[in-house]
Amino acid sequence: EPEVTQTPSHQVTQMGQEVILRCVPISNHLYFYWYRQILGQKVEFLVSFYNNEISEKSEIFDDQFSVERPDGSNFTLKIRSTKLEDSAMYFCASRPGLAGETDTQYFGPGTRLTVL
Amino acid sequence: DQQVKQNSPSLSVQEGRISILNCDYTNSMFDYFLWYKKYPAEGPTFLISISSIKDKNEDGRFTVFLNKSAKHLSLHIVPSQPGDSAVYFCAASAGGGADGLTFGKGTHLIIQP
Repeated sequence: EPEVTQTPSHQVTQMGQEVILRCVPISNHLYFYWYRQILGQKVEFLVSFYNNEISEKSEIFDDQFSVERPDGSNFTLKIRSTKLEDSAMYFCASRPGLAGETDTQYFGPGTRLTVL
Repeated sequence: DQQVKQNSPSLSVQEGRISILNCDYTNSMFDYFLWYKKYPAEGPTFLISISSIKDKNEDGRFTVFLNKSAKHLSLHIVPSQPGDSAVYFCAASAGGGADGLTFGKGTHLIIQP
């Protein structure tokens, strides 16, 4: 069964450094998402992406964040200058988006980001 | 502002019995609801969903009920099995387009032998 994959599984970085988290959504899905979960808190929506542009973003998704679909398969989340409070699990998700298809979003296994 | 609320942080149920997980929402624009199961250090795994045009959806041991007037949904698992022990998240979206999901805080379900 197709699934969303994410790399790396764990990323450790120093405060102020840039990180890029990578995701390969399910092929033929049209909508892509990033979420995060700070330890002990709920999963929070960051951004959605469709047709090569951001469709919706939350208050969390400020100028430090950016997303890109550099090729036909990868979907990336970049944090330009990491802060301690960016430490969290980051989940990528994708959704078919075709007429008659489910609205269900399918999640990847996550990348644990630790900012020191 | 908790638009999706799961008021029970944990729930303990005996194996073989019915597990009932509850979720309330406040945003009347939500029209698509999902339940996800999550193990530690893994991503949420989709379980079952329901559109606001329905009041019940069933898939094997899992049934979701939606009461729109009360803005309440519940997930029933019957019979409960040890492998069902996990954190269960209720999520909602305004549907269509690329709306992000709004999650509840989760309920930790523990199935006791």
